[in-house]
Parts: sequence; structure tokens; C-alpha cells
Amino acid sequence: GAGVSQSPSNKVTEKGKDVELRCDPISGHTALYWYRQRLGQGLEFLIYFQGNSAPDKSGLPSDRFSAERTGESVSTLTIQRTQQEDSAVYLCASSLAVGRTYNEQFFGPGTRLTVL
Amino acid sequence: GEDVEQSLFLSVREGDSSVINCTYTDSSSTYLYWYKQEPGAGLQLLTYIFSNMDMKQDQRLTVLLNKKDKHLSLRIADTQTGDSAIYFCAEKDSGYALNFGKGTSLLVTP
Repeated sequence: GAGVSQSPSNKVTEKGKDVELRCDPISGHTALYWYRQRLGQGLEFLIYFQGNSAPDKSGLPSDRFSAERTGESVSTLTIQRTQQEDSAVYLCASSLAVGRTYNEQFFGPGTRLTVL
Repeated sequence: GEDVEQSLFLSVREGDSSVINCTYTDSSSTYLYWYKQEPGAGLQLLTYIFSNMDMKQDQRLTVLLNKKDKHLSLRIADTQTGDSAIYFCAEKDSGYALNFGKGTSLLVTP
């Protein structure tokens, strides 16, 4: 596609429910990243994928958070038993590769999650 | 992670220059970036600078890097109302993720 897309754009859920957030990266981008942006805060790195593998999951805030990627394409971020502190904008980005050299990360518009 | 600090708010008049400042702590930063975020939109990469450079100019944008002081600035010449947005400074070391500041809200008034 032309850019990184995310769905839904907005999600309102009740505390305790599970939510799934979807990211479609730019075609051909092998690297995919998830970030969280809380109100008035910078972006907090959650997890990245190289291909379908996530070598480092230490950025995930708790074991309620999980992510997967299939076919080196779509990724889903799942939050189980949502809490109010999970309310944030969840941003996805993709790049050609992961590595030490410059690799521009292209960001999607984000999913705004509100937990009531 | 390492800290990236920015002032939270800047207001300028249309036509003036804007200077947004950023400090970082990671001495192993290899690339430093400026992203722009408009309401309801994703982050857009404005420009980046490699850590062995002091300055980079791209049309109305000038990036200055003082590696000794770990200070990065973005100057926008002839600021327009369309430049009103949140500007994020970010750094990347030898790893994979970007480390962002909290963003500077730039308000351009007519």
C-alpha cells in the first residue's frame, strides 16, 4: 500500500475486555514496530518484528500485552483484560530493515484506545 | 531507556524563525531525527542527521548538532501557520528502536 495503515482508528472498550489492534505495513518492509503514546508523553517503544520474529519483547508493559506478525506483513497487538492505564494512542511503524544503518521508520496514523 | 528532553511549547509569529531544542543523554546515538505530528495524523519524518555531522540544511529546515553537549536543534525559517504541529526529537543508537522526546507543540500565530 501507499503507507502504513492501522485499524481501528478509534477503539472504546470497557475495563477488563480484550482488544486487538491491527497494523498493515508498507509492502516490502521487513521491520515493523509498535509504540505507545500516552497523553502528553513521548512515544514509548513496545516491540519490533524482523520478519515474523520478535527478538525482544522486553518493552511490552505487562504480560497482558502480546503481538504477532504473519506472512511478514500484518501485525496485531493484543491487550488482554484492559485497564484504564492502557488508554493511549498505539502507533505502528515499518522500515525496510532493522539494523545499525539509517532506516527510516514510516508511521501509521495510530489507534486511539480508550478504556472506560 | 536513555532520556530525550524537549521544551513542551513554543509560540511564534508567522514569518519569524522557530527554533526547537532537544537534549539527549545517549553518547552512542548514531542518528538523530525530527518528526512532525499533525492532529489526527501519524508521525512524519522531517529530517535526520548522522552523528558525525554538525549541520544539515533542507529548504526551510536547519538542523544543528552539538555532539559534545548532546544538543540538537531544529530551525524553521519563515514559519507558516501550516507548520503548527507537535515536533518530536528522536535518537537511535546501534539498536532498532527510536527513543523519542515528549514533543514540542509549535503554535504559529498570524
